[in-house]
Amino acid sequence: DAGVIQSPRHEVTEMGQEVTLRCKPISGHDYLFWYRQTMMRGLELLIYFNNNVPIDDSGMPEDRFSAKMPNASFSTLKIQPSEPRDSAVYFCASTGGGPQGPQHFGDGTRLSIL
Amino acid sequence: AQSVAQPEDQVNVAEGNPLTVKCTYSVSGNPYLFWYVQYPNRGLQFLLKYITGDNLVKGSYGFEAEFNKSQTSFHLKKPSALVSDSALYFCAVRDDGGSQGNLIFGKGTKLSVKP
Repeated sequence: DAGVIQSPRHEVTEMGQEVTLRCKPISGHDYLFWYRQTMMRGLELLIYFNNNVPIDDSGMPEDRFSAKMPNASFSTLKIQPSEPRDSAVYFCASTGGGPQGPQHFGDGTRLSIL
Repeated sequence: AQSVAQPEDQVNVAEGNPLTVKCTYSVSGNPYLFWYVQYPNRGLQFLLKYITGDNLVKGSYGFEAEFNKSQTSFHLKKPSALVSDSALYFCAVRDDGGSQGNLIFGKGTKLSVKP
């Protein structure tokens, strides 16, 4: 079975540019999560969706960040405008089967803002 | 409030020796507990979980974890460490009364296994 698929794997761009990260969750999973990982702050939950509806976006750092899930098989995380402090690895994860199910992570997008 | 503590930033073990990576938790209800491993440039991979039942849980790659309710701990163990076990390990907890969004991760413990 295909796991969680994220694209691109690496993104390097200049500050001020718009960045869009993409995620395809595992088919049948009804929860989708976006995380950010840095050396300084560790793993942070940004936002999560249930059945395509955003449930908790309290972890989104600023209004420059937005996330959408237009259907059950696709989600985007957008940063506009990007800043150097947004440089991090961004992970998408999905889960299904109730609260006993583990989250399954993609391999992340390594974002570098110059 | 839910929380997870991994008291050691790094654990160093010689190959062939047993290893333990510590985790303690705090939840208001009954805990659902998880261990994940992260290799360089990869996402977190699920290792094992405790939901209910036997306090000793067996998972992938020969790892196991022991749930101790009185000590609110869920330590990860392996009888004989391999160099390939070197990675970053995360403990996570969810309250059985909470939503699936409330999966709280520890800060991670770097495991280094030397030949």
